[in-house]
Amino acid sequence: DQQVKQNSPSLSVQEGRISILNCDYTNSMFDYFLWYKKYPAEGPTFLISISSIKDKNEDGRFTVFLNKSAKHLSLHIVPSQPGDSAVYFCAASVGRDDKIIFGKGTRLHILP
Amino acid sequence: KAGVTQTPRYLIKTRGQQVTLSCSPISGHRSVSWYQQTPGQGLQFLFEYFSETQRNKGNFPGRFSGRQFSNSRSEMNVSTLELGDSALYLCASSRGVGRASQETQYFGPGTRLLVL
Repeated sequence: DQQVKQNSPSLSVQEGRISILNCDYTNSMFDYFLWYKKYPAEGPTFLISISSIKDKNEDGRFTVFLNKSAKHLSLHIVPSQPGDSAVYFCAASVGRDDKIIFGKGTRLHILP
Repeated sequence: KAGVTQTPRYLIKTRGQQVTLSCSPISGHRSVSWYQQTPGQGLQFLFEYFSETQRNKGNFPGRFSGRQFSNSRSEMNVSTLELGDSALYLCASSRGVGRASQETQYFGPGTRLLVL
């Protein structure tokens, strides 16, 4: 049973436009959410996080939005750049044990 | 400083065999976590070690085991390999544990295991 779902396996966006990656979760106990980025032949790298007490967190071109009632979060990248082409993983954890549950990932292609 | 290193990078085994994967964390990092990445299931948490003790464990069968040595290096063992164990096995290290470490953990390039 997939507790963290990324329903779009891939996404193509024109360079300079906004990229929106979506993530849904089923466990209402999740209280901390993270996004990771992964290039081929490399391990994932942390991108941005959000606590369940917030509904938005921004870091440069990256903004994460959290909608707790809908159990949905999204990552916005504005403007999209060629170096943003990668696989993005959404992840969540529950405070008491800190285990991270990852989604299956969304491959983002930034088109020239 | 040197990153997380994993050996071997590629491995081919047959069903029923066992395999040991190694992870050397970044110097000064005492926490090591292991993950399995497959196309069907994505990234799944296997276990986490801190100061030679297993701190957390994912939902994997007992065939998957690990350990951490006093120098923080970690090994992961899979016994009685099955075809479904074919995956990229990633190791990540961080200084400590908890929320802050999730953001500051560094992943290695992974070991790609193919079971025939």
